[in-house]
Amino acid sequence: SYELTQPLSVSVALGQTAKITCGGDNIGSRNVHWYQHRPGQAPVLVIYRDRNRPSGIPERFSGSNSGNTAALTISRAQAGDEADYYCQVWDYNSGVFGTGTKVTVL
Amino acid sequence: EVQLLESGGGLVQPGGSLRLSCATSGLTFSNFAMAWVRQAPGKGLEWVSSISPNGDTYYADSVRGRLTVSRDNSKHTLYLQMNSLRADDTAIYYCAKDPYDYVDSYFDYWGQGTLVTVSS
Repeated sequence: SYELTQPLSVSVALGQTAKITCGGDNIGSRNVHWYQHRPGQAPVLVIYRDRNRPSGIPERFSGSNSGNTAALTISRAQAGDEADYYCQVWDYNSGVFGTGTKVTVL
Repeated sequence: EVQLLESGGGLVQPGGSLRLSCATSGLTFSNFAMAWVRQAPGKGLEWVSSISPNGDTYYADSVRGRLTVSRDNSKHTLYLQMNSLRADDTAIYYCAKDPYDYVDSYFDYWGQGTLVTVSS
């Protein structure tokens, strides 16, 4: 089965840039989606198909995907960006989520 | 405004059954694929099952044969019948909507989740 690997945690200073990676075999050939999940709340889609932002998601969130690594970048990090972030792809009619990354804003 | 509201969670003994529901509003339910995603305590998100508008179903290996997804387009409601439950099925179960009429995409709206606890 297809596996997606993320760093367990990423720390970023307030106002600085955080980059969350999502590793998978030739992931660049797949569509990658990203979700923000705050404790006790519903997950929120922040990036779809590698680099597209849904309406209402700030431009500070951006995505990229090439080779064996996809990435979510959060620019000008704010306290409200503290959350768990998950990448997601489809693999032979099965949804696959990454292992998840906890983002801490210092 | 799209709203998804899960219900039916609770405490159940190992080997028992439970039926989750996801009532939807603010969308033409019959036009979209739907999914269940869960999160076990201290763990990450795990895709459980998806269903197309016409009823084609897809399951994670961990639940195939025990959990059954269905939908009633006339009631705008998604279901998850859970049988032969095990302790490792303990999780918050989220209902999620696909933006298209096929399952091979992403989830643009999510419910708040319902907690299922399997314990004796």
